[in-house]
Amino acid sequence: DAGVIQSPRHEVTEMGQEVTLRCKPISGHDYLFWYRQTMMRGLELLIYFNNNVPIDDSGMPEDRFSAKMPNASFSTLKIQPSEPRDSAVYFCASSLQGSGRIGSIQYFGAGTRLSVL
Amino acid sequence: EDKVVQSPLSLVVHEGDTVTLNCSYEVTNFRSLLWYKQEKKAPTFLFMLTSSGIEKKSGRLSSILDKKELSSILNITATQTGDSAIYLCAVDSPNTGNQFYFGTGTSLTVIP
Repeated sequence: DAGVIQSPRHEVTEMGQEVTLRCKPISGHDYLFWYRQTMMRGLELLIYFNNNVPIDDSGMPEDRFSAKMPNASFSTLKIQPSEPRDSAVYFCASSLQGSGRIGSIQYFGAGTRLSVL
Repeated sequence: EDKVVQSPLSLVVHEGDTVTLNCSYEVTNFRSLLWYKQEKKAPTFLFMLTSSGIEKKSGRLSSILDKKELSSILNITATQTGDSAIYLCAVDSPNTGNQFYFGTGTSLTVIP
């Protein structure tokens, strides 16, 4: 399997623009996670899905952020409108099972480095 | 509030040294602890520790879980420059649903 695939790898945009990040999880994995990583706050969970259904979005910073998973092989994270403080690396991860079991190991994509000017 | 704290924040050692990285956690009803290595890209899985598996070893890396002290250590012996990375610790409990709480990581630099 090619692993978790994220696109784009880098995104540079201007404040106020809409940004869409994409993720393809590992085939057969039932869980998908979106994280944001910054130097100040480390790795933060934004939202996760189980079988395409959003389970916990309490980490989504505000209404400007939204995430969807229309099918088992694709998810998007959208920021509209974007702001400079959204600049970070955004990771997508997937796992076979929920936490507490060996199948809960999360496999990460290479990340999208977002810069909002 | 549940949290995970890693120490030190950063570390610089010479090749051949042995290092010990620490992870302490405060979660209700601990379930598992994971160690990840993050080089320039994505975190990659190293170890998973649970109540039934409190010690893991792979080559020069080993990890121990101390449930009494609510902590874990990651040891790296005979360090190499390729060990330079950020090492992340993550913990989960039944109260967190299916999410893991990640520490901010320890940045390890191994110089020749």
